[in-house]
Amino acid sequence: AQRVTQPEKLLSVFKGAPVELKCNYSYSGSPELFWYVQYSRQRLQLLLRHISRESIKGFTADLNKGETSFHLKKPFAQEEDSAMYYCALRGGGNQFYFGTGTSLTVIP
Amino acid sequence: DGGITQSPKYLFRKEGQNVTLSCEQNLNHDAMYWYRQDPGQGLRLIYYSQIVNDFQKGDIAEGYSVSREKKESFPLTVTSAQKNPTAFYLCATYPVGGGYNEQFFGPGTRLTVL
Repeated sequence: AQRVTQPEKLLSVFKGAPVELKCNYSYSGSPELFWYVQYSRQRLQLLLRHISRESIKGFTADLNKGETSFHLKKPFAQEEDSAMYYCALRGGGNQFYFGTGTSLTVIP
Repeated sequence: DGGITQSPKYLFRKEGQNVTLSCEQNLNHDAMYWYRQDPGQGLRLIYYSQIVNDFQKGDIAEGYSVSREKKESFPLTVTSAQKNPTAFYLCATYPVGGGYNEQFFGPGTRLTVL
């Protein structure tokens, strides 16, 4: 069965410190994985997708099929990174599966 | 932000009443979705539709109903059978086909049952 797990509900880091938000998935096929972000009072929006292998706002995420992980990383956290982050997987039939989310707080 | 509009932004309902949440899109996307967002539980799929006049139940469809009479519109009705309807409801769209695409989300409707 398809499943996305985000083990940390809350994560706090100091400004300038590295940050890693964990995401593990379960999927029998070739996964399409995404990170979405929800800033305060804004709608949920795409941060990055694994297929693009891009860096957005300093964030990167590498798909590790061996460990079935898609962790989100940033070397130096900024206060504006404080938000709710969701990892998502696109399964068959164009259905998306979301993790429970991680609330990131960057402490000044 | 255009593209996907949800109305109303806030909705209050008395117990025992049905209520309908609106979702409209002008992105010409084929697929539309309804999610429920609760603290600590992430986004849970209620219903989704990949084409007009067709829709599928998600993980938590009980107490909800939908229709898809037009490509642009996917209203969600929260019925009195839904035992805990107070939540934040998100509508999303997806452009079926065309490569690796993401979902696009509306601003949400917060429903409170009094």
